[in-house]
Amino acid sequence: ETGVTQSPTHLIKTRGQQVTLRCSSQSGHNTVSWYQQALGQGPQFIFQYYREEENGRGNFPPRFSGLQFPNYSSELNVNALELDDSALYLCASSLGSGGFETQYFGPGTRLLVL
Amino acid sequence: AQRVTQPEKLLSVFKGAPVELKCNYSYSGSPELFWYVQYSRQRLQLLLRHISRESIKGFTADLNKGETSFHLKKPFAQEEDSAMYYCALASAGYSTLTFGKGTMLLVSP
Repeated sequence: ETGVTQSPTHLIKTRGQQVTLRCSSQSGHNTVSWYQQALGQGPQFIFQYYREEENGRGNFPPRFSGLQFPNYSSELNVNALELDDSALYLCASSLGSGGFETQYFGPGTRLLVL
Repeated sequence: AQRVTQPEKLLSVFKGAPVELKCNYSYSGSPELFWYVQYSRQRLQLLLRHISRESIKGFTADLNKGETSFHLKKPFAQEEDSAMYYCALASAGYSTLTFGKGTMLLVSP
């Protein structure tokens, strides 16, 4: 059984650029949730994908978008980066729609926007 | 809009002392509440959920709908309990999850 992995571990971008973050879900899981965690804050729910469809979305603008692939891995794309997008981005995989009681978190990708 | 409030950023206790980490929520529907924990250099993980009414690592949490609270309690703190604790609220249908800002628990010997 493999755990949740995320890539890259960290990266630096400049304002206005676009970024893609990747998440591989735990074996057997079909749901991926993405969170943004700013320094000193709790994680904020961005959205969730269940069987390749968006299954729920938090209060984030459309420039935050995602994909889930047939193998249930997922991408988070952020366009037109802003300074406030600097944060730790966490993904979590789980089994079934919602699945917050069974989700396993990845180590996160730390994004710095200059 | 749903909201989760954890009023304490830091709670410092001595080993063997009782612990209560406070969590209050605001939600118009029937809440589904969780506690997550992050130990040093480890990933965020689920500690417990209110619907299961389990005791995990000696911790319990009771949902009080009248006071809109879901405080986390342990009668005798251990040094290994030192960690960041987050309270979280799932919306109806589990379509979103709202976290509080977290409370750092520090247990001293």
